[in-house]
Amino acid sequence: ILNVEQSPQSLHVQEGDSTNFTCSFPSSNFYALHWYRWETAKSPEALFVMTLNGDEKKKGRISATLNTKEGYSYLYIKGSQPEDSATYLCASPPGYNQGGKLIFGQGTELSVKP
Amino acid sequence: GAVVSQHPSWVICKSGTSVKIECRSLDFQATTMFWYRQFPKQSLMLMATSNEGSKATYEQGVEKDKFLINHASLTLSTLTVTSAHPEDSSFYICSARKAGYSTDTQYFGPGTRLTVL
Repeated sequence: ILNVEQSPQSLHVQEGDSTNFTCSFPSSNFYALHWYRWETAKSPEALFVMTLNGDEKKKGRISATLNTKEGYSYLYIKGSQPEDSATYLCASPPGYNQGGKLIFGQGTELSVKP
Repeated sequence: GAVVSQHPSWVICKSGTSVKIECRSLDFQATTMFWYRQFPKQSLMLMATSNEGSKATYEQGVEKDKFLINHASLTLSTLTVTSAHPEDSSFYICSARKAGYSTDTQYFGPGTRLTVL
């Protein structure tokens, strides 16, 4: 059974701080790693899909890196703003040809204080 | 594009009644839809995978007779919680994807909060 873990569970930062958090997954049978941002009372929003070891993706002030050999991905937020407050989820398919299924981590809840 | 709606956003019902939750892809055709359940402080737990025109595939431990899933069209899947009991109270959320690869993004609805009295 695929186990996707995220740390920390929650994070409180001041506006302007840069921050990062981790998603860990089994390095064997890796196919893809998805990051989502989930703001309260809204739908989870896709941020990145990553597949290649060493890959780095960026969207504005948010970036993510991927290490498939050691089984982790980092999500970075540069100069956090209050609007970045959300729960950040990572997810990975449980195997090859699993019909698009994703196994989610528990999420990191980020709170950015003005 | 890629908007998914979910209805209702919240529902309160009496124990023993059935509740239907709808998940619609508004601007794309969804070959597959997924239903998740989230308990407080826990991750999204996949309940079932719904493919248009075929029977849903349920995850281990999910009662198919309790959680009926119908995917009658490429834009609509429904989850019916039958004979709901207080332990079924939870947050249910659906997602949809356009095509068939593990790298495909899932587009989520906003979720439904079910409270069973």
